[in-house]
Amino acid sequence: DVKVTQSSRYLVKRTGEKVFLECVQDMDHENMFWYRQDPGLGLRLIYFSYDVKMKEKGDIPEGYSVSREKKERFSLILESASTNQTSMYLCASLSNYGYTFGSGTRLTVV
Amino acid sequence: GQQLNQSPQSMFIQEGEDVSMNCTSSSIFNTWLWYKQDPGEGPVLLIALYKAGELTSNGRLTAQFGITRKDSFLNISASIPSDVGIYFCAGPAGRKLIFGQGTELSVKP
Repeated sequence: DVKVTQSSRYLVKRTGEKVFLECVQDMDHENMFWYRQDPGLGLRLIYFSYDVKMKEKGDIPEGYSVSREKKERFSLILESASTNQTSMYLCASLSNYGYTFGSGTRLTVV
Repeated sequence: GQQLNQSPQSMFIQEGEDVSMNCTSSSIFNTWLWYKQDPGEGPVLLIALYKAGELTSNGRLTAQFGITRKDSFLNISASIPSDVGIYFCAGPAGRKLIFGQGTELSVKP
């Protein structure tokens, strides 16, 4: 089975901090994604990557950046965290069989 | 951009009842997907639909791909407490997956 692992289940950060959310997949998938989940809004795509060092903006990239230095790892970066970035963050990877999601990181910015 | 409108946003039902939720789009999709998210976990694929008019079942779950390709329905029969969670419809747009707003289901024993 494909496994997508997000390094933290819960994070609390202060406003203005630089925050790294890490995601690792173990099946050599080329496509990886970062979504944000908020009540009533569903999942919204922040960024995705279709290969090492390749990235594309999703629907809500403002305030975020990403890094894909190795195929298995896709990092989401909040350069200066703000309270409106408090949310659940979900990473996913894509194979021929569809998307596999991680368990999510619930980030609270205080 | 493409958007998916999912309804209802939440449902509170008694164990044993049937459940129905739907998803509509302003544009055509060639694939419809239904996911379930258990509390504290990421979404997991329940059913995939690839053909207009297709009706597909997975146990007590039945989903249909609308003939217009702009809508899809998910039905759950004889609900049980472990059906609790958030259900999402989704459709592919290139490499991306677009999601509906989700239907949060609560089941009272």
